[in-house]
Amino acid sequence: GQNIDQPTEMTATEGAIVQINCTYQTSGFNGLFWYQQHAGEAPTFLSYNVLDGLEEKGRFSSFLSRSKGYSYLLLKELQMKDSASYLCALMDSNYQLIWGAGTKLIIKP
Amino acid sequence: NAGVTQTPKFRILKIGQSMTLQCTQDMNHNYMYWYRQDPGMGLKLIYYSVGAGITDKGEVPNGYNVSRSTTEDFPLRLELAAPSQTSVYFCASSAVGSNSGANVLTFGAGSRLTVL
Repeated sequence: GQNIDQPTEMTATEGAIVQINCTYQTSGFNGLFWYQQHAGEAPTFLSYNVLDGLEEKGRFSSFLSRSKGYSYLLLKELQMKDSASYLCALMDSNYQLIWGAGTKLIIKP
Repeated sequence: NAGVTQTPKFRILKIGQSMTLQCTQDMNHNYMYWYRQDPGMGLKLIYYSVGAGITDKGEVPNGYNVSRSTTEDFPLRLELAAPSQTSVYFCASSAVGSNSGANVLTFGAGSRLTVL
């Protein structure tokens, strides 16, 4: 079967760095996505990884290890506007997206 | 561009009523999707469409129907609403098909539905 796990909630301080982990189990893999979702709003695309390694995009980076079934989203220089839920989504062998429940990130001043 | 537009944003239904959630996109995307989002759970795919005239069931299609008469529109119909259909519904579209890692979804703002 397929399973995707991420922490329910995390708290971090403005200006700091936070790492949000996502672990998955799947029989087939065609990539991993990260989306950001502010409360009451639509998810918006952040990153996509299909090969192992780190993808950097400004203050946000995403890492993938296929052998470990593991990804993380790294947010640097945290700003209050980064308070949101971060959704991890796995694309399986049938190219269907399997979504994690999301990690609610709370930023404190 | 407006992107993906959903209406209504909020709706309260009584058990047994029917309604249609409207979704329109102006990006000329062939692929469109309907998801529901419940607290503490990941997005669940209800129905999707790969182009006008073609629709397919997702993970949780029971109690819903869709149609795709044009590229732009992908309405979701709830027949005989039940409390279990209380949820936030998101319509999404993508330029490329799901058989591509570049399948980035653009979501509508969501429709919050309560069935009492």
